[in-house]
Amino acid sequence: RKEVEQDPGPFNVPEGATVAFNCTYSNSASQSFFWYRQDCRKEPKLLMSVYSSGNEDGRFTAQLNRASQYISLLIRDSKLSDSATYLCVVSSDSNYQLIWGAGTKLIIKP
Amino acid sequence: GAVVSQHPSRVICKSGTSVKIECRSLDFQATTMFWYRQFPKQSLMLMATSNEGSKATYEQGVEKDKFLINHASLTLSTLTVTSAHPEDSSFYICSASDRAYEQYFGPGTRLTVT
Repeated sequence: RKEVEQDPGPFNVPEGATVAFNCTYSNSASQSFFWYRQDCRKEPKLLMSVYSSGNEDGRFTAQLNRASQYISLLIRDSKLSDSATYLCVVSSDSNYQLIWGAGTKLIIKP
Repeated sequence: GAVVSQHPSRVICKSGTSVKIECRSLDFQATTMFWYRQFPKQSLMLMATSNEGSKATYEQGVEKDKFLINHASLTLSTLTVTSAHPEDSSFYICSASDRAYEQYFGPGTRLTVT
């Protein structure tokens, strides 16, 4: 089983719709969680950290479910510019290494 | 925000040659630098972690004699792919960190070995 699993997609979503991704992780000792966005052939960029209480940044909402070991990302009122690959990243306190999911590809269609 | 540069952005080399990739933190001192590799449609895979002035720690399955990492200063780390082969063709990305969880990524280097 992979340490961090994501549905690769692609998710084809009409502009303006709401879309949600989940990501599951296997290490129950994981302490830090992030969502990164990666555009084609570019480096990943931090979208948001995921806190235990959940957090929201504009149209983006991230949630953490420790009991079920998954994190989610919700994008409301999707824009064409949201088209990208969204990477789920998990880290434990023990070694600070980031464990990356393979990413979920999102395509927003006009 | 913190800026990390990589050079070159793209390189094509012949099989058997060596290629050096530079990673620089431009406006902060990076105590730790990470080197990742990403094959098409796959996740970033950590290759090694390097702390300034000490030897890099390589991930399992990554040959340290093939992927030479030097982190001689707080702003520069280099990755040298020695005796490159076509299977080494990949997207190599570095990240730099002044604190454990905040990693700032370089723009990546696309290596093609012919």
